[in-house]
Amino acid sequence: NAGVTQTPKFQVLKTGQSMTLQCAQDMNHEYMSWYRQDPGMGLRLIHYSVGAGITDQGEVPNGYNVSRSTTEDFPLRLLSAAPSQTSVYFCASSGQGTDSGANVLTFGAGSRLTVL
Amino acid sequence: KQEVTQIPAALSVPEGENLVLNCSFTDSAIYNLQWFRQDPGKGLTSLLLIQSSQREQTSGRLNASLDKSSGRSTLYIAASQPGDSATYLCAVSGVRNTGKLIFGQGTTLQVKP
Repeated sequence: NAGVTQTPKFQVLKTGQSMTLQCAQDMNHEYMSWYRQDPGMGLRLIHYSVGAGITDQGEVPNGYNVSRSTTEDFPLRLLSAAPSQTSVYFCASSGQGTDSGANVLTFGAGSRLTVL
Repeated sequence: KQEVTQIPAALSVPEGENLVLNCSFTDSAIYNLQWFRQDPGKGLTSLLLIQSSQREQTSGRLNASLDKSSGRSTLYIAASQPGDSATYLCAVSGVRNTGKLIFGQGTTLQVKP
C-alpha cells in the first residue's frame, strides 16, 4: 500500500516553461487536493477534487490547472512557470466515510519546485 | 473567511516536560479539526482528528481537545522526548467534508535532551 505518491521530488524550471506534477493514490479515496507550502505562509490550498471529473479552486489557483479523469490520479499543471511559483507542493487525499478514520488526510512526500 | 492561528510559532522545552500547543479558528462552523506533524523536509503525518461532535481524541502520549464554541483546540504532549521535535500544524475542515483544509502556520517544537 503506497499511499500518496508524488513525482518528481525535485524540479528546476525556467520562467515560462510548463510542467506537470503527478499525484497518485491507491486508497480509493474520493477527495484529493493540492497545497503549496511557503515559509511564513503555511499550507495553502491550490485546487481540490471531490471525485473523478469534479474539481474546484482553492485559495491560490491562479497559474495552475488540474483535472481528475480517474479516482487514482490528480495531476497539477503549471501553465507558464513564474518565480512566484517556487515552493514545495503537497498532494493529499482522504475518504468520504462518516467515521473519523475515513476523513484523515494522507499526504504525499512533496515536490520541491524552483523557478528561475 | 476562516482563519487558523497557532501560538507560539516556536517552543523549546527540556525532555520530560508536559506541554500544550494551541490552535484557534475564527469560524466555529467546522466539520472536523486535524493535528499534523511535519519533520524537516518531509510531508505531513496525521496525528489526531477530532470530529465537530467530539471533545477530545487520544493517541498514546498525545491528547487533542476541541472547544468549538470558543474556536480553540489544544494538543497536549505528555512526557516529551527529543523525537517529538518537529513542526505541529492544525487544520480545520468546513461544514461539509470535502478534504479541503485551512491550515495554521504551525508551531515548531524543540525538545532538548
